[in-house]
Amino acid sequence: DTGVSQNPRHKITKRGQNVTFRCDPISEHNRLYWYRQTLGQGPEFLTYFQNEAQLEKSRLLSDRFSAERPKGSFSTLEIQRTEQGDSAMYLCASSLGRARGNSPLHFGNGTRLTVT
Amino acid sequence: SQQGEEDPQALSIQEGENATMNCSYKTSINNLQWYRQNSGRGLVHLILIRSNEREKHSGRLRVTLDTSKKSSSLLITASRAADTASYFCATDAGAGGTSYGKLTFGQGTILTVHP
Repeated sequence: DTGVSQNPRHKITKRGQNVTFRCDPISEHNRLYWYRQTLGQGPEFLTYFQNEAQLEKSRLLSDRFSAERPKGSFSTLEIQRTEQGDSAMYLCASSLGRARGNSPLHFGNGTRLTVT
Repeated sequence: SQQGEEDPQALSIQEGENATMNCSYKTSINNLQWYRQNSGRGLVHLILIRSNEREKHSGRLRVTLDTSKKSSSLLITASRAADTASYFCATDAGAGGTSYGKLTFGQGTILTVHP
Protein backbone atom coordinates (compact mmCIF):
# COMPACT_ATOMS: atom_id res chain seq x y z
CA ASP A 1 0.00 0.00 0.00
CA THR A 2 1.81 3.14 -1.19
CA GLY A 3 0.05 5.68 0.96
CA VAL A 4 1.34 9.01 2.24
CA SER A 5 4.62 8.55 4.09
CA GLN A 6 5.98 10.93 6.72
CA ASN A 7 9.38 10.94 8.38
CA PRO A 8 10.35 10.98 11.12
CA ARG A 9 7.40 9.68 13.14
CA HIS A 10 8.65 11.38 16.27
CA LYS A 11 11.04 14.26 16.85
CA ILE A 12 12.20 15.65 20.18
CA THR A 13 14.18 18.83 20.01
CA LYS A 14 15.35 21.59 22.29
CA ARG A 15 13.90 25.05 22.07
CA GLY A 16 15.75 27.16 19.54
CA GLN A 17 16.80 24.28 17.32
CA ASN A 18 15.71 23.86 13.70
CA VAL A 19 13.77 20.80 12.57
CA THR A 20 12.78 19.48 9.15
CA PHE A 21 10.04 17.00 8.33
CA ARG A 22 9.54 15.12 5.10
CA CYS A 23 6.37 13.99 3.36
CA ASP A 24 6.13 11.63 0.39
CA PRO A 25 2.64 11.84 -1.11
CA ILE A 26 0.83 9.26 -3.17
CA SER A 27 2.75 9.35 -6.42
CA GLU A 28 0.00 10.44 -8.80
CA HIS A 29 -1.39 13.11 -6.47
CA ASN A 30 -0.75 16.67 -7.60
CA ARG A 31 -1.95 18.39 -4.42
CA LEU A 32 -0.15 18.29 -1.11
CA TYR A 33 -1.19 19.79 2.22
CA TRP A 34 0.34 20.35 5.63
CA TYR A 35 -1.84 20.46 8.72
CA ARG A 36 -1.03 20.80 12.41
CA GLN A 37 -2.94 19.06 15.17
CA THR A 38 -2.66 19.70 18.90
CA LEU A 39 -4.00 17.37 21.55
CA GLY A 40 -7.78 17.19 21.66
CA GLN A 41 -8.23 19.39 18.62
CA GLY A 42 -8.95 18.84 14.95
CA PRO A 43 -6.22 19.47 12.38
CA GLU A 44 -5.58 23.06 11.32
CA PHE A 45 -4.57 23.96 7.78
CA LEU A 46 -1.03 25.29 7.33
CA THR A 47 -0.26 25.32 3.62
CA TYR A 48 -1.09 23.76 0.26
CA PHE A 49 0.82 22.96 -2.93
CA GLN A 50 -0.47 22.29 -6.40
CA ASN A 51 2.44 20.47 -8.04
CA GLU A 52 5.49 22.54 -7.03
CA ALA A 53 3.64 25.82 -6.48
CA GLN A 54 2.74 26.84 -2.94
CA LEU A 55 -0.68 28.38 -3.46
CA GLU A 56 -1.82 29.23 0.04
CA LYS A 57 -0.32 29.73 3.47
CA SER A 58 -2.24 30.04 6.70
CA ARG A 59 -1.66 32.89 9.14
CA LEU A 60 -0.58 30.08 11.49
CA LEU A 61 2.53 29.66 9.35
CA SER A 62 4.84 32.24 10.88
CA ASP A 63 8.12 33.39 9.33
CA ARG A 64 9.85 30.59 11.21
CA PHE A 65 8.01 28.02 9.11
CA SER A 66 8.87 27.23 5.52
CA ALA A 67 7.58 24.52 3.23
CA GLU A 68 8.85 23.39 -0.13
CA ARG A 69 7.84 20.90 -2.74
CA PRO A 70 10.65 20.79 -5.30
CA LYS A 71 9.73 19.11 -8.58
CA GLY A 72 6.20 18.58 -7.34
CA SER A 73 7.01 15.32 -5.59
CA PHE A 74 7.99 15.10 -1.91
CA SER A 75 7.64 18.05 0.43
CA THR A 76 9.58 19.32 3.42
CA LEU A 77 8.39 21.47 6.30
CA GLU A 78 11.10 23.29 8.25
CA ILE A 79 10.64 25.05 11.54
CA GLN A 80 13.44 27.38 12.57
CA ARG A 81 14.16 28.43 16.14
CA THR A 82 11.56 26.08 17.57
CA GLU A 83 9.39 27.18 20.48
CA GLN A 84 7.49 25.06 22.98
CA GLY A 85 4.24 26.17 21.35
CA ASP A 86 5.33 24.37 18.17
CA SER A 87 4.84 21.03 19.90
CA ALA A 88 2.13 19.25 17.93
CA MET A 89 1.44 16.53 15.39
CA TYR A 90 2.30 17.70 11.87
CA LEU A 91 0.18 15.94 9.29
CA CYS A 92 0.75 15.75 5.57
CA ALA A 93 -2.01 14.89 3.12
CA SER A 94 -2.30 14.56 -0.62
CA SER A 95 -5.11 14.45 -3.14
CA LEU A 96 -5.72 14.11 -6.83
CA GLY A 97 -7.08 17.55 -7.59
CA ARG A 98 -9.43 18.14 -10.47
CA ALA A 99 -10.50 21.50 -11.86
CA ARG A 100 -13.78 21.70 -9.96
CA GLY A 101 -13.79 18.31 -8.37
CA ASN A 102 -14.25 17.23 -4.81
CA SER A 103 -11.42 14.94 -3.83
CA PRO A 104 -10.85 13.46 -0.39
CA LEU A 105 -7.54 13.90 1.34
CA HIS A 106 -5.22 10.99 2.07
CA PHE A 107 -3.29 11.59 5.27
CA GLY A 108 0.02 10.26 6.47
CA ASN A 109 0.50 9.11 10.06
CA GLY A 110 2.11 12.39 11.00
CA THR A 111 5.29 13.57 12.70
CA ARG A 112 4.90 14.24 16.40
CA LEU A 113 7.14 17.13 17.46
CA THR A 114 8.03 17.73 21.08
CA VAL A 115 9.98 20.88 21.91
CA THR A 116 11.61 20.81 25.35
CA SER B 1 -9.84 28.58 13.53
CA GLN B 2 -12.21 25.68 13.92
CA GLN B 3 -15.32 26.09 11.83
CA GLY B 4 -17.06 22.93 12.89
CA GLU B 5 -18.61 22.29 16.23
CA GLU B 6 -19.13 18.65 16.95
CA ASP B 7 -21.57 17.12 19.32
CA PRO B 8 -21.18 15.18 21.48
CA GLN B 9 -17.51 15.58 22.39
CA ALA B 10 -17.49 11.99 23.62
CA LEU B 11 -19.83 9.05 23.08
CA SER B 12 -19.72 5.68 24.79
CA ILE B 13 -21.91 2.84 23.55
CA GLN B 14 -22.16 -0.94 23.52
CA GLU B 15 -21.27 -3.06 20.51
CA GLY B 16 -24.25 -3.45 18.22
CA GLU B 17 -25.76 -0.07 19.08
CA ASN B 18 -25.92 2.84 16.65
CA ALA B 19 -23.75 5.92 17.09
CA THR B 20 -24.80 9.37 15.92
CA MET B 21 -22.46 12.34 15.76
CA ASN B 22 -23.45 15.86 14.77
CA CYS B 23 -21.52 18.69 13.20
CA SER B 24 -22.41 22.33 12.70
CA TYR B 25 -20.52 24.85 10.60
CA LYS B 26 -20.66 28.54 9.84
CA THR B 27 -19.95 29.35 6.19
CA SER B 28 -21.14 28.18 2.78
CA ILE B 29 -19.45 25.01 1.64
CA ASN B 30 -18.64 23.00 -1.48
CA ASN B 31 -18.67 19.75 0.41
CA LEU B 32 -18.48 18.27 3.89
CA GLN B 33 -16.35 15.28 4.74
CA TRP B 34 -16.06 12.91 7.67
CA TYR B 35 -12.75 11.45 8.78
CA ARG B 36 -11.77 8.91 11.39
CA GLN B 37 -8.58 8.96 13.46
CA ASN B 38 -7.22 6.19 15.61
CA SER B 39 -5.03 7.29 18.50
CA GLY B 40 -1.63 8.55 17.34
CA ARG B 41 -2.36 7.93 13.68
CA GLY B 42 -3.35 9.95 10.65
CA LEU B 43 -6.88 10.60 9.50
CA VAL B 44 -8.76 8.25 7.24
CA HIS B 45 -11.41 9.56 4.89
CA LEU B 46 -14.84 8.01 5.43
CA ILE B 47 -17.34 9.81 3.26
CA LEU B 48 -17.82 13.05 1.30
CA ILE B 49 -21.17 14.73 0.74
CA ARG B 50 -21.54 17.58 -1.73
CA SER B 51 -23.48 20.72 -0.90
CA ASN B 52 -26.28 19.75 -3.29
CA GLU B 53 -26.72 16.32 -1.68
CA ARG B 54 -28.88 15.65 1.36
CA GLU B 55 -28.00 12.09 2.29
CA LYS B 56 -25.31 9.58 1.46
CA HIS B 57 -24.62 5.99 2.47
CA SER B 58 -21.46 3.93 2.55
CA GLY B 59 -21.64 0.52 4.17
CA ARG B 60 -22.65 1.04 7.80
CA LEU B 61 -22.28 4.81 7.48
CA ARG B 62 -25.06 7.26 6.77
CA VAL B 63 -24.39 10.97 6.43
CA THR B 64 -26.98 13.72 6.18
CA LEU B 65 -26.43 17.35 5.27
CA ASP B 66 -28.78 20.27 5.92
CA THR B 67 -27.28 23.36 4.33
CA SER B 68 -30.14 25.56 5.56
CA LYS B 69 -29.19 24.70 9.14
CA LYS B 70 -25.49 24.37 8.33
CA SER B 71 -25.36 21.00 9.98
CA SER B 72 -24.49 17.38 9.25
CA SER B 73 -24.79 14.10 11.06
CA LEU B 74 -22.88 10.84 10.83
CA LEU B 75 -24.65 7.63 11.80
CA ILE B 76 -22.71 4.42 12.32
CA THR B 77 -25.04 1.46 12.50
CA ALA B 78 -24.39 -1.82 14.30
CA SER B 79 -21.20 -0.49 15.86
CA ARG B 80 -18.18 -2.68 16.55
CA ALA B 81 -15.34 -2.37 19.04
CA ALA B 82 -13.09 -1.63 16.06
CA ASP B 83 -15.08 1.55 15.41
CA THR B 84 -13.52 3.07 18.53
CA ALA B 85 -11.76 6.22 17.31
CA SER B 86 -12.13 9.99 17.00
CA TYR B 87 -14.42 11.21 14.26
CA PHE B 88 -14.03 14.61 12.62
CA CYS B 89 -16.19 16.55 10.26
CA ALA B 90 -14.41 18.85 7.83
CA THR B 91 -15.80 21.50 5.52
CA ASP B 92 -14.42 22.52 2.16
CA ALA B 93 -15.47 26.09 1.49
CA GLY B 94 -13.43 26.36 -1.69
CA ALA B 95 -13.00 29.59 -3.64
CA GLY B 96 -15.26 30.74 -6.39
CA GLY B 97 -17.15 27.49 -6.24
CA THR B 98 -14.03 25.45 -6.81
CA SER B 99 -12.88 22.90 -4.29
CA TYR B 100 -9.15 22.67 -3.79
CA GLY B 101 -9.07 20.61 -0.64
CA LYS B 102 -8.40 23.16 2.05
CA LEU B 103 -10.44 21.71 4.90
CA THR B 104 -11.59 23.24 8.15
CA PHE B 105 -12.00 20.57 10.81
CA GLY B 106 -14.19 20.38 13.86
CA GLN B 107 -12.87 19.37 17.27
CA GLY B 108 -14.07 15.83 16.86
CA THR B 109 -16.15 13.27 18.70
CA ILE B 110 -14.39 10.52 20.63
CA LEU B 111 -16.35 7.31 20.14
CA THR B 112 -15.81 4.35 22.44
CA VAL B 113 -17.56 1.09 21.58
CA HIS B 114 -17.51 -1.46 24.39
CA PRO B 115 -17.45 -5.16 23.42
